Amino acid sequence: QKEVEQNSGPLSVPEGAIASLNCTYSDRVSQSFFWYRQYSGKSPELIMSIYSNGDKEDGRFTAQLNKASQYVSLLIRDSQPSDSATYLCAVIGGFGDYKLSFGAGTTVTVRA
Amino acid sequence: GAGVSQSPSNKVTEKGKDVELRCDPISGHTALYWYRQSLGQGLEFLIYFQGNSAPDKSGLPSDRFSAERTGGSVSTLTIQRTQQEDSAVYLCASSLGTLLEETQYFGPGTRLLVL
Repeated sequence: QKEVEQNSGPLSVPEGAIASLNCTYSDRVSQSFFWYRQYSGKSPELIMSIYSNGDKEDGRFTAQLNKASQYVSLLIRDSQPSDSATYLCAVIGGFGDYKLSFGAGTTVTVRA
Repeated sequence: GAGVSQSPSNKVTEKGKDVELRCDPISGHTALYWYRQSLGQGLEFLIYFQGNSAPDKSGLPSDRFSAERTGGSVSTLTIQRTQQEDSAVYLCASSLGTLLEETQYFGPGTRLLVL
């Protein structure tokens, strides 16, 4: 299975700060990239998807993709206590692939 | 509309017993996936169904695991002769199709504990 690595946590940030999450992947032909949020005891829910190099913004979330560096990141601006969760980076490979390969996750705690 | 549903939400069984886990995908979604999430292994792919095509079983950890999808909708994951290492959360996901930009939506999961 393709390797997906995330920066080790846990990550603790004060309320209102920016949380920065990083992810690298091993398969150079990977095409689709996702960030899922998982609250304790719950299933993953999609936060962002990104397919092209550059930035993609959705509200307080910004995903960044650099295929040359095999790197994808997620920024959470104006972090709120409700953002406290584990964030999973997931990757789908090249043509003909469809299953998600997940990183181990980074746990984020936003301090009020 | 309704999301992916799974049943039961929790299952406790004894080692050696068989268990069946059910997944009902989002209406209209042709692709269905099973994943397993355990403390030691993270989230791992098990099996994939797309329409009437043969399923991709490449992620199944042993021949004790099998799955079927009837009528292109509901899926059942069966674990025979359960072992303690099968204890995990079993997650089902569905998507509209197999295009690379299709998002997978997860159900609430079934928490399996093998005693």
